[in-house]
Amino acid sequence: GESVGLHLPTLSVQEGDNSIINCAYSNSASDYFIWYKQESGKGPQFIIDIRSNMDKRQGQRVTVLLNKTVKHLSLQIAATQPGDSAVYFCAELDTGRRALTFGSGTRLQVQP
Amino acid sequence: KAGVTQTPRYLIKTRGQQVTLSCSPISGHRSVSWYQQTPGQGLQFLFEYFSETQRNKGNFPGRFSGRQFSNSRSEMNVSTLELGDSALYLCASSLGGADQETQYFGPGTRLLVL
Repeated sequence: GESVGLHLPTLSVQEGDNSIINCAYSNSASDYFIWYKQESGKGPQFIIDIRSNMDKRQGQRVTVLLNKTVKHLSLQIAATQPGDSAVYFCAELDTGRRALTFGSGTRLQVQP
Repeated sequence: KAGVTQTPRYLIKTRGQQVTLSCSPISGHRSVSWYQQTPGQGLQFLFEYFSETQRNKGNFPGRFSGRQFSNSRSEMNVSTLELGDSALYLCASSLGGADQETQYFGPGTRLLVL
């Protein structure tokens, strides 16, 4: 599969542990944020989104936290499974341009 | 519903040639965006089409162009290919009617320029 980043930060966790992936965004005017998961050979897959009027949103086994004061996003994955191994990207939406700006990504490796 | 589809999945071209990539959005989606993904630059926005019109454009040279058809299918074209154009080209679709919409991605077209 493709390499989505030669020097991606890597988070290695044991199966069953919780994972926390962090992201700093750049535009204080961004008001919509999305986390994507990208597996080798595939396009980014939507995980969860959050709007700027919220600071937390939960999905199935995933939680996104938004701290607008320090322009920080985090993705928490509960009970991490081997199938969660992938590269995770945060993206902020510039609603004026309808263009997603992506972070550099974090590689999550789940050890069985 | 079928997801976003892209053809071809893989392409090999030589410098100076041109290439056309195709994207079919999710049924009912009217907005199609294109992104380039490289190891060095990550994911970068190319342009967005809605109702057959380019609505937004990223910071890429004019060699990169696109169009959208009345059925919302989109094509992007790269002329006079350069080695640095080797990348994964991703298409994403969304409904297109609101500002804060999730974009859903296709599997991408892997372009290698020799």
